[in-house]
Amino acid sequence: QVQLQESGPGLVKPSQTLSLTCTVSGGSISSGSYYWSWIRQPAGKGLEWIGRIYTSGSTNYNPSLKSRVTISVDTSKNQFSLKLSSVTAADTAVYYCARDESPRRGFDPWGQGTLVTVSS
Amino acid sequence: EIVLTQSPGTLSLSPGERATLSCRASQSVSSSYLAWYQQKPGQAPRLLIYGASSRATGIPDRFSGSGSGTDFTLTISRLEPEDFAVYYCQQYGSSPPLFTFGPGTKVDIK
Repeated sequence: QVQLQESGPGLVKPSQTLSLTCTVSGGSISSGSYYWSWIRQPAGKGLEWIGRIYTSGSTNYNPSLKSRVTISVDTSKNQFSLKLSSVTAADTAVYYCARDESPRRGFDPWGQGTLVTVSS
Repeated sequence: EIVLTQSPGTLSLSPGERATLSCRASQSVSSSYLAWYQQKPGQAPRLLIYGASSRATGIPDRFSGSGSGTDFTLTISRLEPEDFAVYYCQQYGSSPPLFTFGPGTKVDIK
């Protein structure tokens, strides 16, 4: 079955750009009609959807983060990526990637998550 | 933006008991776009219910979802030891496209 794995630096300095990659295994990222999302969770807090990309490359972003977020896809590597610019300590969180077939079907599966700390 | 509120914040129950978790939306949500997740410490969330009442693949039938409009419920009919976790509801709104999550309900052992 499809599995997702996040990767990227665990420490980012304030004002810099956070960059993460999600590698999809067990299936092609471009097969089927799927959306690929990023979701984050600060320690001890709830979940926040960051944005998603469709297999065609079209994107949707959370309006609260839209000015700082870029999500892209690399079908040749079976990966999609997140860039979040001008980070502050408030962006410290566990970042998850996840798939959804449609908004009717929920997010499934999820990656295991990766902790990103914003600190100098 | 639709805001989801979950109650109670914490539910203390014993194994074998019935758990009833509430998710209330600030405005009407399409039932098709309401999901529930379970999260254990150090793990990613796991999809339990989508479309308000459909169980995801592999989810035991002790988990059930119901509701419509602004009020939704997740019921665990008989708590098993592995069910003690945090549960989140999630909705999707299309204008603009936006997924939001509730703050969660923690089910812990009494």
